[in-house]
Amino acid sequence: EVQLVESGGTLVQPGGSLRLSCAASGFTVSSNYMSWVRQAPGKGLEWVSVVYSGGTTDYADSVKGRFTISRDTSKNTLYLQMNSLRAEDTAVYYCARDRTFDIWGQGTMVTVSS
Amino acid sequence: QPVLTQSSSASASLGSSVKLTCTLSSGHSGYTIAWHQQQPGKAPRHLMKLEGSGRYNKGSGVPDRFSGSSSGADRYLTISNLQSEDEADYYCETWDSNIWVFGGGTKLTVL
Repeated sequence: EVQLVESGGTLVQPGGSLRLSCAASGFTVSSNYMSWVRQAPGKGLEWVSVVYSGGTTDYADSVKGRFTISRDTSKNTLYLQMNSLRAEDTAVYYCARDRTFDIWGQGTMVTVSS
Repeated sequence: QPVLTQSSSASASLGSSVKLTCTLSSGHSGYTIAWHQQQPGKAPRHLMKLEGSGRYNKGSGVPDRFSGSSSGADRYLTISNLQSEDEADYYCETWDSNIWVFGGGTKLTVL
């Protein structure tokens, strides 16, 4: 079964760091575009970052310089390293596959608060 | 970069049909988009990829009641024979070079 499962979300203080994971099954992460998308409470969807099949990466301006996307081919897992976290980063974070986000994970909640 | 515009809300009666619209900004009228459904408290679900030609490819398990079409800069999602479980937020999404954008979403109420 093709599936994505996120983990790692928790409560973190402003300025802190956190790493999210997204474990894939049924397909190969490194053969696809893989993105992180977030949704603040009561708000719409916001694209955060992508890693292309070739390994290059791109970021939304709102997270550039603070977040880093990566993947581990041996674990078939996608990651999002989040540093210098701010209150406005509070959201459910989803991983998704391909340009059209044809597969979504269930999401993991990140709360940035003191 | 492209901008996607959606109405904030829509409503239709159980068993009827509804057509949701996503409009691409000037200069981007030929872009391919995708439609996603988000039921309350759940993760988004991919419904379909929709091209400017009107051709669409639905995701796995998406009922036949869901269809797509295009006209100029407008991309449409039509849901026929509305069911209670169709009450959800619907988002369109597109990409351009190295960024992805979402519309603001349409909240569909089934009466």
